[in-house]
Amino acid sequence: GENVEQHPSTLSVQEGDSAVIKCTYSDSASNYFPWYKQELGKGPQLIIDIRSNVGEKKDQRIAVTLNKTAKHFSLHITETQPEDSAVYFCAASKKGSARQLTFGSGTQLTVLP
Amino acid sequence: EPEVTQTPSHQVTQMGQEVILRCVPISNHLYFYWYRQILGQKVEFLVSFYNNEISEKSEIFDDQFSVERPDGSNFTLKIRSTKLEDSAMYFCASSEGVGRGYTEAFFGQGTRLTVV
Repeated sequence: GENVEQHPSTLSVQEGDSAVIKCTYSDSASNYFPWYKQELGKGPQLIIDIRSNVGEKKDQRIAVTLNKTAKHFSLHITETQPEDSAVYFCAASKKGSARQLTFGSGTQLTVLP
Repeated sequence: EPEVTQTPSHQVTQMGQEVILRCVPISNHLYFYWYRQILGQKVEFLVSFYNNEISEKSEIFDDQFSVERPDGSNFTLKIRSTKLEDSAMYFCASSEGVGRGYTEAFFGQGTRLTVV
């Protein structure tokens, strides 16, 4: 089955700097790659997603890039703010949607003021 | 803003007992999911549910698990005879559909199940 690896497990950045989180996946049939943010005591919240027919997607300070050949995708957060501090999860699915997602292990991002 | 609601937030049960975890998905959503996260491990897919039947399930979702949409608003996960290894955070999620533009899954805040 699909395996998603996520790095790093923890990341500390200064406010205003950029943060990059990377994931690799094993199943070339995967075609939907969401990123979730989880704050303490809450469930995961979708922040951005990308499909396999697109190489990059951007939404304000957040961007995701996908390299299908290398089977990896990355989350980029620019101009980080303290409220960006949370656990971030990448995930992958072969169903083109949130059905049957395989999650990465999560990255604890801390933005230092 | 509409949200997925799960109850209870924390449930403690004795090994061998049956538990029912409850979820109220967003009202116009058609797809429903259960995921779980054992402490320190990855979030794992359990089951997806559409049109009153299971559409996908993982190897974890064996005969001790069942799901139901009993009344058109609730979505439940039943664990028939709990084991210590069932202790985890269980997340319910729902999505409006699965076609392009409807793929976002909204997660509830989770139910922490502790089996003692």
